[in-house]
This record gives sequence, C-alpha cells and structure tokens, in this order.
Amino acid sequence: DAKTTQPTSMDCAEGRAANLPCNHSTISGNEYVYWYRQIHSQGPQYIIHGLKNNETNEMASLIITEDRKSSTLILPHATLRDTAVYYCIVLSNTGKLIFGQGTTLQVKP
Amino acid sequence: DTEVTQTPKHLVMGMTNKKSLKCEQHMGHRAMYWYKQKAKKPPELMFVYSYEKLSINESVPSRFSPECPNSSLLNLHLHALQPEDSALYLCASSQVTGNTIYFGEGSWLTVV
Repeated sequence: DAKTTQPTSMDCAEGRAANLPCNHSTISGNEYVYWYRQIHSQGPQYIIHGLKNNETNEMASLIITEDRKSSTLILPHATLRDTAVYYCIVLSNTGKLIFGQGTTLQVKP
Repeated sequence: DTEVTQTPKHLVMGMTNKKSLKCEQHMGHRAMYWYKQKAKKPPELMFVYSYEKLSINESVPSRFSPECPNSSLLNLHLHALQPEDSALYLCASSQVTGNTIYFGEGSWLTVV
C-alpha cells in the first residue's frame, strides 16, 4: 500500500487560502489520491479525490503533480469551521483506505 | 451529511458484557467497513465486507465479531472486551471496494 507523508500541523488565517501538501512517491499508476478531514469527535468527511488531473468541487481543489508523486489540497477561503485534521490517503487496489497521521490545520481569526 | 447511521452513539459496557454496535446505509452500497479510532490517533481498519461477505480481517481479536445480515446492515458484536478497547468505532460504506468511502459519525465505546 502506498504511503503518504504530510506535515504534522499548519496554521492559516481566516479568509485566506489553505494549501495542504502531501507526498505519495510510491503511488501506482491506477491508485487514486483521496482527501478526508475529521473535525473533533466526528466521523471522517470525504473532501475530494483524483487520479491524474486536477479536480475541483464545492469544498476544495486538488492539484496533482504530473509525476503523481505529490499533491496539494486547496481550501480557497478558509473559515474557522475548517479547523480539522486533514488526511491524504492513497486508496489501494484492494480497496483498503489506510489513514496516516494527517495534518492538523488550525484556522485563526 | 453522512448517510451512514450508527447506533448507539455512546455505549458503556462491562468486561463480561455482550453488546453490539449497529450500522445502516440505504445508498445501495455493497461494501461496508469497520474502523477503530483511539484518542488522538488516526482510524485503523478492522474489517471489510464486500457483497455481504467478509473480505478483509486486519488480524482483529476474536472478541470483536462482525456480521453482515444484509446489504444495508453491518453489526459489530462485542464480548469480553478490555478497557483498552475503549475507542470510537466507525462504520463506513462504498458502492463497491475501491470506490469513495463514506463514514458514519461513529459509536463511542467505553469498557469499564
């Protein structure tokens, strides 16, 4: 299963864009990059996923490098409610979603 | 909003008790999952069911016994648990394995 590496924590000012990086250098050609977040005491929430191309939805944008070895999740206008642990995960071919340590994002007023 | 419903939200049980956690989804998903999450740690995969059959068991102790009675329901039967089994138990589902996985809000279990 491909592993991911994320910074332990990040801060972001409210209203600014939050850019969360992730390294996944051992990703296989048909494995997807998924992003989830978990707000304290709640279940993980699906944010976005992608294979090769950049993706955007109502929550965020996902930028994947051409070699697919890293990606960046972008929250365009962070709010205090975006404070959470963000997980970057490579979904394995077996369907196993294995969580790493994630990045704790603190949005500050 | 999650469409995976877990009950109960909170459960306190003694080490000799037998209890069950229940999970339900009505999205027509054919893959369902149990995860365990200790405080300040990421969720850990326990079991994967695909088309009502157990497909992955991540070496979970036998005091945890999963059951998938139909495509909408997933139970986790608990017996002779230890205090260290106290955790948030998360259920999830996906259309099939390899598709996007959606989580419920979890059941908080305390073993006394």
